[in-house]
This record gives sequence, structure tokens and C-alpha cells, in this order.
Amino acid sequence: DVKVTQSSRYLVKRTGEKVFLECVQDMDHENMFWYRQDPGLGLRLIYFSYDVKMKEKGDIPEGYSVSREKKERFSLILESASTNQTSMYLCASQWRGNQPQHFGDGTRLSIL
Amino acid sequence: DQQVKQNSPSLSVQEGRISILNCDYTNSMFDYFLWYKKYPAEGPTFLISISSIKDKNEDGRFTVFLNKSAKHLSLHIVPSQPGDSAVYFCAASDQAGTALIFGKGTTLSVSS
Repeated sequence: DVKVTQSSRYLVKRTGEKVFLECVQDMDHENMFWYRQDPGLGLRLIYFSYDVKMKEKGDIPEGYSVSREKKERFSLILESASTNQTSMYLCASQWRGNQPQHFGDGTRLSIL
Repeated sequence: DQQVKQNSPSLSVQEGRISILNCDYTNSMFDYFLWYKKYPAEGPTFLISISSIKDKNEDGRFTVFLNKSAKHLSLHIVPSQPGDSAVYFCAASDQAGTALIFGKGTTLSVSS
């Protein structure tokens, strides 16, 4: 089974802090993704990566950046956290295109 | 503008009966469609997928139907079980098959 591990289940930070969310997958998947889930809005894509050091913007990249230095690890960075970034963040990995994405259990991030 | 729409926020069904969840899409370039199930405080779990060259795909109690001319897909669960109670997300991607566009979800409640 594919295992996607997000480093924290719950996180509380203050406005203006730089926040790192980490994600690791154990199946040598090519593609990795970061989404946020908000009530009534479904899942929205922030960034994705199809190779080491490669990244593509999703639908809502503003206020976020990402890093993929190793194939198995994909980090989401909130450069200067704001209260409107309070959300559930979900990481996913995918072997290649036209295959299912597999999700981690999410990080519930609260920005105070 | 929403490219993937789940127009029913909720659905209630009795145990043993059929659950039918619906999804409409607007982008004719979408080529690959998936259904995910999500329990609270967990990441989405992949259920079933279908490519645009097919009109039906079955996996146990779950069947997905695709009507390309109507830009409509549906998920049938037969028979429904109380453990099926969750939020169901429809998702679609284009021929590259990487970034997914999700609907806002339908909450299914199966009562015993």
C-alpha cells in the first residue's frame, strides 16, 4: 500500500510566522501535490511537482511556495502566515499521469 | 467558474438500498475521472476511476458511469452500508492526467 505521511496532524502558528509543512511518500512516485480543503469549497490545488526541483502552480498558489529536493519529500511553505491560511492541508502522491492520487491524513493548520 | 460540480451537498439512504451520487463537468478536455471517499480527520481515499474511452467501470459494490455527451458521471453504491457514510468527491483531469479538479463534495448518510 502507498504510504503518504504528513509530519503534523495539528499545528498552531501565529500570523507572520514562516510555516513548513512536510510530506513524505514511500512508493517512488513521480508526482506530488499540495491541496487545501475548506468547508463548501472542496479541495483546491496549491502546487504540484512532477520531478525533483520541478514545480508547477496550481489554482491558489498565492502566499505559498514549495520545495522538492528529494523525490520522496515535498514541502509546503507559508512565507508569512495569515489568518486566511487557516485550513486543512492535504498532500498527495501519484505514480504518473492518469493514475490515482494517494493522500496523506492531512494537517489541520490554525493561524492565530 | 466551477469545472466540476456536485450539485447535491447531501444524500440520505437506507441501508441495503442504492446510493447514487452525481457529478457534472464543463471542460470537454477532461479525460480521466475519479471518485474519492473522505471520513472526518482523514485524507481522501481513492474509490474508483474511469477513463473517457469507457462508459462504465465496476469494482465490487461501486460502479461509475460516464456519459460524455452529457458531461455527467455518477457513482452507484449497491448495497449501501452504514460504513459508506462519508463525504464523496468527484474529480477530473485532462489528458496529462496529473492535476485534479475536485467537486465540492456530497455528504452521504446511510442509516440502518
